[in-house]
Amino acid sequence: DGGITQSPKYLFRKEGQNVTLSCEQNLNHDAMYWYRQDPGQGLRLIYYSQIVNDFQKGDIAEGYSVSREKKESFPLTVTSAQKNPTAFYLCASSRQPNTEAFFGQGTRLTVV
Amino acid sequence: QQQVKQSPQSLIVQKGGISIINCAYENTAFDYFPWYQQFPGKGPALLIAIRPDVSEKKEGRFTISFNKSAKQFSLHIMDSQPGDSATYFCAASRGYQKVTFGTGTKLQVIP
Repeated sequence: DGGITQSPKYLFRKEGQNVTLSCEQNLNHDAMYWYRQDPGQGLRLIYYSQIVNDFQKGDIAEGYSVSREKKESFPLTVTSAQKNPTAFYLCASSRQPNTEAFFGQGTRLTVV
Repeated sequence: QQQVKQSPQSLIVQKGGISIINCAYENTAFDYFPWYQQFPGKGPALLIAIRPDVSEKKEGRFTISFNKSAKQFSLHIMDSQPGDSATYFCAASRGYQKVTFGTGTKLQVIP
């Protein structure tokens, strides 16, 4: 089945630790995105990539890092610099910007 | 500013009724206006989308109405069903710029 796979579904992190969220797509999409979802705040863009080896900061990039070494993969690292990392993280891809975005099932990160 | 304002924040509708969610935008250069539906614990999925060259688009029970002069667009769900209970997000984008999402509307359809 074609789609976007995020893993893990649930993730617990101790304060001060970095953690990496996985996002893989087999839709052959060029554009990929990471969003953070908090109650009452909708979806906020963390980073996006329109092509391999290139990515841009979104609205809330501080404390996060990404890489795009392969077209299929766009992992997100939540670093210890992110002050409030507990949230629901969504990865998405689209054939090109300004077209339908396909979302993964999300990763719920909790800092303990 | 690239804002999209969505209302209401929550909505309760009786089964068979009409659900209406509104969005307003500021950037007149936006040219793609999708609506996404999200069930709890899942990622959003595209429901319906419109481009500004038309004023209305209908797909089944779902209709987008678009008012370019007022910079507003809305989602109408006819004959609302309990299975429509979800959170709905409007969004707007332009060209290769990032998508801006509204803050979401939690819809509950009661029997």
